[in-house]
Amino acid sequence: QVQLVESGGGVAQPGRSLRLSCAASGFTFSSYGVHWVRQAPGKGLEWVAVISFDGSKVYFADSVKGRFTLSRDNSKNTAFLQMNRLTLADTAVYYCHSESGSSGVVFDYWGQGTLVIVSS
Amino acid sequence: VVMTQSPLSLPVTLGQPASISCRSSQGLVYSDGDTYLSWFHQRPGQSPRRLIYRVSNRDSGVPDRFTGSGSGTDFTLRISRVEAEDVGVYYCMQGTHWPLTFGGGTKVEIK
Repeated sequence: QVQLVESGGGVAQPGRSLRLSCAASGFTFSSYGVHWVRQAPGKGLEWVAVISFDGSKVYFADSVKGRFTLSRDNSKNTAFLQMNRLTLADTAVYYCHSESGSSGVVFDYWGQGTLVIVSS
Repeated sequence: VVMTQSPLSLPVTLGQPASISCRSSQGLVYSDGDTYLSWFHQRPGQSPRRLIYRVSNRDSGVPDRFTGSGSGTDFTLRISRVEAEDVGVYYCMQGTHWPLTFGGGTKVEIK
C-alpha cells in the first residue's frame, strides 16, 4: 500500500525555521520527484516546490525562493522541506505529492498534510 | 503563468452536467510537444486527488463521466452527470512552466 506521511509541522514564530519530512512507502520513491503543495486556511492550493528523483534539480515558487530548501534521502525514502525565515503567510497545511503521467507510468500520491502555523 | 478558473462556484442538480473552465496566461505546450495541464479534486477535509493529466487522460479509478479537453490556453473539465460524491473544489494546474501554478479553484455543490 502506497503511503506518503508528512511530519514536522507545528507552531513557529515569525523568522524562525521548521523542517518538514515526507516519508514514502509502497512505491519506488527514488525514481520520482516530490512536490510540496500548501493550502492556507480556507484558501486554494499553492504549489511550493519540487525536488527531482535524485535531488539534482529543485524548483521553487517565488513566494518561498531563497527561504525554503529541499533535500531527500533515497536510502530512507524520505524528502525534506526546510523552511527558514518563516512569515505569517507561510501558515498552511503542507502536502507532499509524488506523481507521474508519462513514460507509461501513471500515478498520483498525496500525503495527509501537516499543519504549519506561524504566529508570534 | 496565471491560471484562471471559472466559475468560482457551481451549484449543480444531481444527474445534470457541469463544466469548469481554466485559462492560462501562456500556452501550455511543452518542448516535448505535450501539454501539462492537470485537474484535481479536493473533498472537504481531504487531500487533493488528480483526476486528469495531460489535458484529457483520466487517472486510474476516475469515472468516465469526467472528461478533460482543450488546447493552447483554454481548457475544460466536464462532468456528464453530477453525483453526490463529486462535491468539493476542483483545481486545474499547469506543469509546463516553472513555477508550477494552480488555478484558484471551483467549488461544486449540489443544489
